[in-house]
Parts: sequence; C-alpha cells; structure tokens
Amino acid sequence: EAQVTQNPRYLITVTGKKLTVTCSQNMNHEYMSWYRQDPGLGLRQIYYSMNVEVTDKGDVPEGYKVSRKEKRNFPLILESPSPNQTSLYFCATGDWGTSTDTQYFGPGTRLTVL
Amino acid sequence: QQQVKQSPQSLIVQKGGIPIINCAYENTAFDYFPWYQQFPGKGPALLIAIRPDVSEKKEGRFTISFNKSAKQFSLHIMDSQPGDSATYFCAASFEYNFNKFYFGSGTKLNVKP
Repeated sequence: EAQVTQNPRYLITVTGKKLTVTCSQNMNHEYMSWYRQDPGLGLRQIYYSMNVEVTDKGDVPEGYKVSRKEKRNFPLILESPSPNQTSLYFCATGDWGTSTDTQYFGPGTRLTVL
Repeated sequence: QQQVKQSPQSLIVQKGGIPIINCAYENTAFDYFPWYQQFPGKGPALLIAIRPDVSEKKEGRFTISFNKSAKQFSLHIMDSQPGDSATYFCAASFEYNFNKFYFGSGTKLNVKP
C-alpha cells in the first residue's frame, strides 16, 4: 500500500527550539515536497526535491531547511521556530509518467509555536 | 501575490446538483493543472489533472474544463453526493519537470442530502 508517513502528527513547541518533522515514503518516488496549509491561503510550497541530494526552494522557504540523503526520507527542519510558522504541514511525493499521474500527501503535522 | 485564484470560497448544493469551482492563472508557462480533494483531518488527494492539449477531461463524475485563451479552468462534479463534501483545491505547475506547484485558496463544498 502506497504510504507517506509524517512524524510527529501534532507538536506544540516554543520559539527558538529547533525541531524536525520527518517524512518517509514507500513508493520509491524521486520527487518529494513540503507544503504548509493556512486558512484562506491554500497550500504553499516550502521546498521540493527532485532526487537524492537535489533540493530547491519553493514559494515560502524562509525559516526552513530540508535534506534528502536517502530517497525515502525528506525531513523538514525548523532551526529557530517562530509563531508565524504555526501551521499545518504536509509532505508529498509524486511521479508523473506518460500514462498516469500519481501524487500522495502525508496525513499532516499540526505545529504550534508559542 | 497568489498565482492561482480560486472561487468561490464556499459552495452549498443539493444532492444531485452540479457544483462548479473555477480557477484562473496568469503565468502562461503553466501547463499542468491538477485538482485535489481534501477531507477534514486528512491530506489532499489528487483527483484529476489536465494538460492544455485538451479542453476537457472526465474521470467518473469529475470533469475539468480548460480554456487556454482565458487562462481559466474549472471542476464540475456531476450528480454530486453528500460524500463529495470536502475542500477542493486547484493548482498549476510545469510539465517539463513538475517541480513547483501553486495552489488556489480552496473551496469548501457542502452537498446537502
């Protein structure tokens, strides 16, 4: 079964305390991406990765870091979280073939920064 | 500035009705237009996608209409059911490498029994 897992699912933290949200996939997809979802703004892309060791900025990368050392994992790192990073975060994978498009999103991580 | 503008923000229809959600974009380099369905507490799920070489695409009860000259595309849900009640997002991307995705702000659909 195709699966994207995120941990933790819920996190309350304080300003400045470094945190990592993990994302793991079992589809062997080369493409992975992180989004944040805020009311009235839809989803906004933070970072994406086209393959191992290949990452690039999305629309809202400020305050975030990523790494892609293995194909299956794509962690999101907040070195010094601030209250404006309180949001719902989704990891996603994708594969766009000649006949089928597949994209999977994780279940989400709700982050609150106090 | 939002690259993809979606309307309406919310929509209520009766069971069997045909809700229509509209999206507009400015960047003519976009050439891949997906729609996603999201239920409360879940991640979005890819529903259907269109490329601009066709003006319409159907998958089951879901249809995308695409108007390249107007830079608009819309989602129609035929014979809508209460189980279709969800938030729907349109998006736009680039087919040459599917790297960046730009989402609309979402439409909350309520299908009344």
